[in-house]
Amino acid sequence: DAGVTQSPTHLIKTRGQQVTLRCSPKSGHDTVSWYQQALGQGPQFIFQYYEEEERQRGNFPDRFSGHQFPNYSSELNVNALLLGDSALYLCASSREAGQYFGPGTRLTVT
Amino acid sequence: GESVGLHLPTLSVQEGDNSIINCAYSNSASDYFIWYKQESGKGPQFIIDIRSNMDKRQGQRVTVLLNKTVKHLSLQIAATQPGDSAVYFCAETDGSGNTGKLIFGQGTTLQVKP
Repeated sequence: DAGVTQSPTHLIKTRGQQVTLRCSPKSGHDTVSWYQQALGQGPQFIFQYYEEEERQRGNFPDRFSGHQFPNYSSELNVNALLLGDSALYLCASSREAGQYFGPGTRLTVT
Repeated sequence: GESVGLHLPTLSVQEGDNSIINCAYSNSASDYFIWYKQESGKGPQFIIDIRSNMDKRQGQRVTVLLNKTVKHLSLQIAATQPGDSAVYFCAETDGSGNTGKLIFGQGTTLQVKP
């Protein structure tokens, strides 16, 4: 039984560009949350998707958007990248109890 | 505002000793508290959680204690092993259950000396 998977593992982008990160939830999970983790910090909640809709959102600008597909997988899109967007982006999936994290995508903005 | 904090950034223990990692939280409405372990280059790994109506919960080699009076949470690891070396985060929920928004603290680095 595969856990939460994320792609790509690493990504380097230039300021102003756009990026799409992908997440496949753990089998049987229907809810996906995205977090941003800066170096040396705890993860910060970006938003959560359930039934293909954004159910909850953290304090992130509209440059951060997402999508959930019928198979429960999800994408995180970030537009107009800033240097400060460099971080580890984590996806967590859940269904009724507990959130389980993927390995993350390391985004570097130069 | 929202915050979950840990008292010490780094904890160093001898292999075989017990470890205690502490956490303070601020939101009285939190209904779940969770401990995660994060090894270098990996995502956070669920260790144990506790509902706000409990004060103690035990797992395999780990115990979580919750003191709602002083808004304090602790993780006890028995017989600490080298494989326990990692960053430990406490997280609280925003009252929407343990599948809702998680609010993480800064983390405590546990170093296990052989």
